[in-house]
Amino acid sequence: DSGVTQTPKHLITATGQRVTLRCSPRSGDLSVYWYQQSLDQGLQFLIQYYNGEERAKGNILERFSAQQFPDLHSELNLSSLELGDSALYFCASSVRDYTDTQYFGPGTRLTVL
Amino acid sequence: GDSVTQMEGPVTLSEEAFLTINCTYTATGYPSLFWYVQYPGEGLQLLLKATKADDKGSNKGFEATYRKETTSFHLEKGSVQVSDSAVYFCALSEGISGTYKYIFGTGTRLKVLA
Repeated sequence: DSGVTQTPKHLITATGQRVTLRCSPRSGDLSVYWYQQSLDQGLQFLIQYYNGEERAKGNILERFSAQQFPDLHSELNLSSLELGDSALYFCASSVRDYTDTQYFGPGTRLTVL
Repeated sequence: GDSVTQMEGPVTLSEEAFLTINCTYTATGYPSLFWYVQYPGEGLQLLLKATKADDKGSNKGFEATYRKETTSFHLEKGSVQVSDSAVYFCALSEGISGTYKYIFGTGTRLKVLA
């Protein structure tokens, strides 16, 4: 158990819909990262928040957004969903910065029908 | 831009065989390098890491050395077990002048046969 929790575990929705994925980092970790894992794209970094502020942006679509709240939990919002958004979405957390180990949650499997 | 290239899988070995999974990288500065492992149905977990050139990371019999001259971070284990069957990801992270990057390789699936 990494100490990172993600909800829900599975999500099935239709094209055009909007969903919210939730992540609680390990106690004491200030950074939260979001990744998308799909068969054809591998593991892609989406976005990082550090202590409530956006720190780094990767291959995140404009239809996707995220935030980190004062209690340090984070949410990833995916809107206008397309079939190609079906993937496993991982959240990870670390103490501070890029030299630190990232601890991954169990993931949320999103299926868009 | 920055990138991580690791050998294609799957890699199939017999128990107690020697394992090497190659990983090379390109980076602008001096990244930190990681090997993560993913077991079926789980998230990734750190296997080992190295944060500067010539550092050797090691854990559970696995080793990798940060080679700046060859821009490589190859993963090795002297004697694999069936329980090592998993997907292995090489990754780099870098922060330069307030710009941060996190890049993972495509993963190498290892299957160890009894």
